[in-house]
Amino acid sequence: SAVISQKPSRDICQRGTSLTIQCQVDSQVTMMFWYRQQPGQSLTLIATANQGSEATYESGFVIDKFPISRPNLTFSTLTVSNLSPEDSSIYLCSVPPWDSGIMDTEAFFGQGTRLTVV
Amino acid sequence: QKEVEQDPGPLSVPEGAIVSLNCTYSNSAFQYFMWYRQYSRKGPELLMYTYSSGNKEDGRFTAQVDKSSKYISLFIRDSQPSDSATYLCAMRSGGSNYKLTFGKGTLLTVNP
Repeated sequence: SAVISQKPSRDICQRGTSLTIQCQVDSQVTMMFWYRQQPGQSLTLIATANQGSEATYESGFVIDKFPISRPNLTFSTLTVSNLSPEDSSIYLCSVPPWDSGIMDTEAFFGQGTRLTVV
Repeated sequence: QKEVEQDPGPLSVPEGAIVSLNCTYSNSAFQYFMWYRQYSRKGPELLMYTYSSGNKEDGRFTAQVDKSSKYISLFIRDSQPSDSATYLCAMRSGGSNYKLTFGKGTLLTVNP
C-alpha cells in the first residue's frame, strides 16, 4: 500500500489563526484528496488536489477557508484559515491507489491531523 | 435523507461473537463498496471492498452487498478484542469518480 505521512498529527490553535497540514506520499500520484471528520459525523470530502491545477472544492467548502497547494506529485498542503471552534476536527489526506500503479484495491488514508481550536 | 446511513452504535459484544454491521444507501449510482476500520487516533484502514452484489469473504470478515435493496453488511466471525474499533462503510459511483461517500461509522467494542 502507499505510505502517506501527515504532519502535524495534532495541534491546538487559537481562534482566528490558521493551521497548515502537510501530506507526503511515497509514490507519485495525480490526485490527492482532503477529508474532514467532525465529531460524530461522516468523513466528508473537502477538495481534490491535482498537481499543476487549482483544487476542486466540494459544495460547502471554499478556497478562502481551505486553501490547498499541490507543488508536485508527492506532496500537498491544506490550510484551515481563520480558525473557529467549529473547525475542530480530524483532517485526513487520501490517495487512490491505482494512481500509483497499485490496482485492485481502494483509497488509502493518512493518519490524520487532529485539530482543536480554543 | 442522507446518501449513506449507518447506525453509529456503540455496539458491545463478547469475544467470539458474530458481529453484523450495516449500511443503507439511497444513491443507485453507487457501484463500489468499501469497509474501513479506524482505531482510536488513527486514520481509516481499508478492510474490505467489493464491486458486485453477493458475498466476499476474507478470513473472519465477510462483506455482503445487496444492490437491489441498497444495503451492505460486514460480518465479523469469532470477534476478538483487537477488532474493537470504529467501522466505516464507504462507497463511490466508479468510473472516473473517485469521491468516497461515508457512513458515520459504528463504534464496536469486543469484550474479553
